[in-house]
Amino acid sequence: EAQVTQNPRYLITVTGKKLTVTCSQNMNHEYMSWYRQDPGLGLRQIYYSMNVEVTDKGDVPEGYKVSRKEKRNFPLILESPSPNQTSLYFCASSWNREIPYEQYFGPGTRLTVT
Amino acid sequence: AQKVTQAQTEISVVEKEDVTLDCVYETRDTTYYLFWYKQPPSGELVFLIRRNSFDEQNEISGRYSWNFQKSTSSFNFTITASQVVDSAVYFCALILTGNQFYFGTGTSLTVIP
Repeated sequence: EAQVTQNPRYLITVTGKKLTVTCSQNMNHEYMSWYRQDPGLGLRQIYYSMNVEVTDKGDVPEGYKVSRKEKRNFPLILESPSPNQTSLYFCASSWNREIPYEQYFGPGTRLTVT
Repeated sequence: AQKVTQAQTEISVVEKEDVTLDCVYETRDTTYYLFWYKQPPSGELVFLIRRNSFDEQNEISGRYSWNFQKSTSSFNFTITASQVVDSAVYFCALILTGNQFYFGTGTSLTVIP
């Protein structure tokens, strides 16, 4: 089954404790992206990657890191989480051709930073 | 500056009514793409439609239709004869060259039986 998986689905942590949210897709998509969803703000893009070893900042990259060492994986790293990073996070992937294709979204990771 | 505006935060309609969700975008690029996504109460995001800036034809898919007007920078979404299953948050998104996505803040639609 074609899918994007994220782990963990729920996470409660404390300020300053480094964490990683994993994202993996099995569709051989070149493009992957991370979003955060907050009430009243919609989805905001954090980082995206057009292909292996190619990453770019989205609208709200501060406080986040990503890496793309393999095509299928695109982990999101919070080196020192803060309460304002409490949010619902989505990973997505799509083909990367000359036009943007529909993105397949993961199920979401609800992160709470206390 | 906000690139995608969905001014309607919440809409409630009675089942079988028609409803239009507004989306206004802002860009100086001549090549861009517009998407609509649906987020039902279960939380997943479901792709509905993609439109490029050179194709102003309206599109109909069952009870769903989209009206793209470059002159007003709008890409509105109409649901005809709404059903309870249409209750969801709907997001409009603008994609510029480079594949950076800009989502609107979403419109929460409630269809009352």
